[in-house]
Amino acid sequence: GAGVSQSPRYKVAKRGQDVALRCDPISGHVSLFWYQQALGQGPEFLTYFQNEAQLDKSGLPSDRFFAERPEGSVSTLKIQRTQQEDSAVYLCASSLLGTGAYEQYFGPGTRLTVT
Amino acid sequence: TQLLEQSPQFLSIQEGENLTVYCNSSSVFSSLQWYRQEPGEGPVLLVTVVTGGEVKKLKRLTFQFGDARKDSSLHITAAQPGDTGLYLCAGPNNAGNMLTFGGGTRLMVKP
Repeated sequence: GAGVSQSPRYKVAKRGQDVALRCDPISGHVSLFWYQQALGQGPEFLTYFQNEAQLDKSGLPSDRFFAERPEGSVSTLKIQRTQQEDSAVYLCASSLLGTGAYEQYFGPGTRLTVT
Repeated sequence: TQLLEQSPQFLSIQEGENLTVYCNSSSVFSSLQWYRQEPGEGPVLLVTVVTGGEVKKLKRLTFQFGDARKDSSLHITAAQPGDTGLYLCAGPNNAGNMLTFGGGTRLMVKP
């Protein structure tokens, strides 16, 4: 399909483990976003890329969270030393335009459970 | 920080009823978007409203942007079970590089 894909769809990690979440945006989309969605809540912004440049990482909750998009397409969100409060759905979205805030297309998310 | 508050948080209605969902802020937004999210899926964009006072219709869904561009509403006529889901409003920040989402309204339409 031509949509945004994310893998894995589900991840269970023991507290203290490192995890890596992958996002494949729509081909040709300039902007890529990561959001965190707690159960029953709306998504909250984590970070934003325009091509390979990370232009905003103000939403990352701690220095245990790290995101990269080295070639301006696929992105990886890494969480080190996972904690229980990291349990959430992690959504990736991409947008054709460089301005980023319009017409975002979301992937299905990765549900992370930290035990 | 621009915040969006949605009400009600939960809504359970019978098939055929009408409903309205609200999205309010104390801040002015250049535009507002409405998304619907089903369990296990990402949000799907329904509509973007840009002009104050604008009304957009999508079949049985009517979206309105407030004159002052601080609020929006979603009205569903003759709700169907297929309308069940989490409805989210979202607006761009001033720099236009991120979306702020409301907390969502979880709608359940019973047959």
